[in-house]
Amino acid sequence: TQLLEQSPQFLSIQEGENLTVYCNSSSVFSSLQWYRQEPGEGPVLLVTVVTGGEVKKLKRLTFQFGDARKDSSLHITAAQPGDTGLYLCAVNQGAQKLVFGQGTRLTINP
Amino acid sequence: DSGVTQTPKHLITATGQRVTLRCSPRSGDLSVYWYQQSLDQGLQFLIQYYNGEERAKGNILERFSAQQFPDLHSELNLSSLELGDSALYFCASSNLDRGTLQETQYFGPGTRLLVL
Repeated sequence: TQLLEQSPQFLSIQEGENLTVYCNSSSVFSSLQWYRQEPGEGPVLLVTVVTGGEVKKLKRLTFQFGDARKDSSLHITAAQPGDTGLYLCAVNQGAQKLVFGQGTRLTINP
Repeated sequence: DSGVTQTPKHLITATGQRVTLRCSPRSGDLSVYWYQQSLDQGLQFLIQYYNGEERAKGNILERFSAQQFPDLHSELNLSSLELGDSALYFCASSNLDRGTLQETQYFGPGTRLLVL
């Protein structure tokens, strides 16, 4: 059983559309991170959310931490081909050991 | 560019062989982490070193070992290789931000290992 369940696993949409991807768990976390990984590269940290209900924006990306700190969502407005990549959520399980979800592989078609 | 370098970028070898992957952390970072990314298991934590000492272990096989040297670079040794060891191996480094008391991990570009 995965600690973090991400959905959908794959998503392919047209440029300009909006989308939301999810990261869910039955566990409560003190914080949660979102990463983006492009082909041939390592994951890059996008954001860390800490407070239940917290919303953080990074240009067209909006991240929300659930009120109970068990889940998170990432919403992208007016998706662009440059948003294509693998989106991973992760939590810290002690001594900076990161546990990752399986990821959502996003493809934005021009 | 994260500032973390990994060599080699690609590695092709045969079952039963031994390989060494190398990682140079960002300047000043004391912690080094190793992760394995495969299609079926996703990105999984293997092991962490801090200033030369092992700090945390994940699901690292006994056939795998790592070390961090005095200059803080790290090596991951994989022995008795099996087909299932084919994966991307990432190194990350971090340091403590004394202001926020948080650590951010910066990932290298990875080494793609193919075991034939």
